[in-house]
Amino acid sequence: SQQGEEDPQALSIQEGENATMNCSYKTSINNLQWYRQNSGRGLVHLILIRSNEREKHSGRLRVTLDTSKKSSSLLITASRAADTASYFCATVGSGNTGKLIFGQGTTLQVKP
Amino acid sequence: KAGVTQTPRYLIKTRGQQVTLSCSPISGHRSVSWYQQTPGQGLQFLFEYFSETQRNKGNFPGRFSGRQFSNSRSEMNVSTLELGDSALYLCASSLRASGQNTGELFFGEGSRLTVL
Repeated sequence: SQQGEEDPQALSIQEGENATMNCSYKTSINNLQWYRQNSGRGLVHLILIRSNEREKHSGRLRVTLDTSKKSSSLLITASRAADTASYFCATVGSGNTGKLIFGQGTTLQVKP
Repeated sequence: KAGVTQTPRYLIKTRGQQVTLSCSPISGHRSVSWYQQTPGQGLQFLFEYFSETQRNKGNFPGRFSGRQFSNSRSEMNVSTLELGDSALYLCASSLRASGQNTGELFFGEGSRLTVL
């Protein structure tokens, strides 16, 4: 079963606006990762945040992690049409199982 | 450095047949994982291999199997195909070594299987 739940399921914004996606999970984690997928293609890793970190930045991306609420958010600033894709959070359990548990994803559409 | 390569990219099979999918990881990556993606169930972990050994397995029936070769290339096999096996099968490789937690995964473009 999926551990992560993402909110919203779909998001439509104009170019230049910010996009925020949220992810919730159920069990303790070692790290949480965000991936992007363009239209049924492979996933591309965006950013990884460890359980002892609260915030991380990478270019236009900002990720926060609140382990007390078991939630994370991904903020994309100054969005571009090329950011149109599905975004998934994935958790790695603290038990070192070697697998990622993915959320259902947020579909982002950025209109030019 | 070449990325993760999956073959074939697309294939169509009929119920009852079997299928073998292939994955070549990034050079130097010894860990290979497989995931199934469907509209209804999303992305689900199938199994992970490291140094030719299966380290983890997801909740899939025994019809789903895999293996890894000494050059880290991996194959997965699905026997007695069912309509519900139609999916995008994604392979990912990583630098994860034994005893380490999973970090960044590098995914291939996937093999899209349609079962008729």
